[in-house]
Amino acid sequence: AQSVTQLDSQVPVFEEAPVELRCNYSSSVSVYLFWYVQYPNQGLQLLLKYLSGSTLVKGINGFEAEFNKSQTSFHLRKPSVHISDTAEYFCAVESGRRALTFGSGTRLQVQP
Amino acid sequence: NAGVTQTPKFQVLKTGQSMTLQCAQDMNHNSMYWYRQDPGMGLRLIYYSASEGTTDKGEVPNGYNVSRLNKREFSLRLESAAPSQTSVYFCASTESWAETQYFGPGTRLLVL
Repeated sequence: AQSVTQLDSQVPVFEEAPVELRCNYSSSVSVYLFWYVQYPNQGLQLLLKYLSGSTLVKGINGFEAEFNKSQTSFHLRKPSVHISDTAEYFCAVESGRRALTFGSGTRLQVQP
Repeated sequence: NAGVTQTPKFQVLKTGQSMTLQCAQDMNHNSMYWYRQDPGMGLRLIYYSASEGTTDKGEVPNGYNVSRLNKREFSLRLESAAPSQTSVYFCASTESWAETQYFGPGTRLLVL
């Protein structure tokens, strides 16, 4: 069975600083990987996804992620964060069950 | 185009009471999902319906039942609510598992 580990439950960062949110997965088969964002009191929205092809995936709001098969990782990065990026971020994996398995989430707190 | 709608937004139940959470989507999606979100645990899949007429158990199905009423609607029923079912429930839909999942605004349920 697949699983997703988000190594940091909270990441505080100053505005305009770079940020990396870490995600590792375990699966014995090919995977499809996703990052979703949840703003306070809202549902989740897709940031980006990796299905195949280039291992560097660009998403909305300036975020990008790199699929690393050898390290089973799919870390999310942004070179310069804004206050409005404060939210909870979820990594998710699909590997054959036609449904997503989500990580426990990372709360990004951007401070002025 | 309302996307994914959920009713009710909030509900308080007493232990042993039953209720049905309603979900509808107007995007003609094939697949629909029910998740619960608890602090520090991310989203956990309760049940899903890959296509009209089919339903499958997710990670935490105990205590719940579902009905895929038609292509638009997917309801979640709690037959005898327990305090452990206090959570935020999200419905989602997608054209297929590899595509973006669109989430509803959530139902906040408190079981006393």
